[in-house]
Amino acid sequence: AQSVTQPDIHITVSEGASLELRCNYSYGATPYLFWYVQSPGQGLQLLLKYFSGDTLVQGIKGFEAEFKRSQSSFNLRKPSVHWSDAAEYFCAVGAGPHGGSQGNLIFGKGTKLSVKP
Amino acid sequence: DTGVSQDPRHKITKRGQNVTFRCDPISEHNRLYWYRQTLGQGPEFLTYFQNEAQLEKSRLLSDRFSAERPKGSFSTLEIQRTEQGDSAMYLCASSSRRGVEQFFGPGTRLTVL
Repeated sequence: AQSVTQPDIHITVSEGASLELRCNYSYGATPYLFWYVQSPGQGLQLLLKYFSGDTLVQGIKGFEAEFKRSQSSFNLRKPSVHWSDAAEYFCAVGAGPHGGSQGNLIFGKGTKLSVKP
Repeated sequence: DTGVSQDPRHKITKRGQNVTFRCDPISEHNRLYWYRQTLGQGPEFLTYFQNEAQLEKSRLLSDRFSAERPKGSFSTLEIQRTEQGDSAMYLCASSSRRGVEQFFGPGTRLTVL
């Protein structure tokens, strides 16, 4: 069964510091991978996605993620964090562009990012 | 595109009451999804429509839950005889036939007292 693990529940970084949020997935074939960000009380905004090709993908707001098949990982990175990046981040996996066989995405439990001034 | 909209944004109800939520997808998006998100968790899939056809339902969708998309445009999610365990954020998302991503609405936060 598909699953997503985000090992870090809460991370605090200083503004200007680099950031890496971890995501590990379980899926038998090549997955479709996504990172979403959610501000308090809001819906989810897509940061970036990976389907195939270059394993380093660029997203919005200066984020990037690297797909590593050997490690079943899709970690999110940002070289310099801004205070406005404080939010909750969700990694998701689907079996196709629209999701899995059920048309859905499987989400991790999320990582809450706090930014210190 | 005006984005995915959901109404209401907040709903407080008493246990045992029925509630209905509405989702308006991005125009011309033929796929529509409902998810539920509880505190400290990621969204969990509930059901999925392609046009007006409800193609998949999660086992999370008990008999008290029903979703419709009568004309392949907006969708409604009804919960009958609400229970305190139904308290959650209900998220709607849509995607196009050729799209590769799901666009989410702001959600409806349900509180069952």
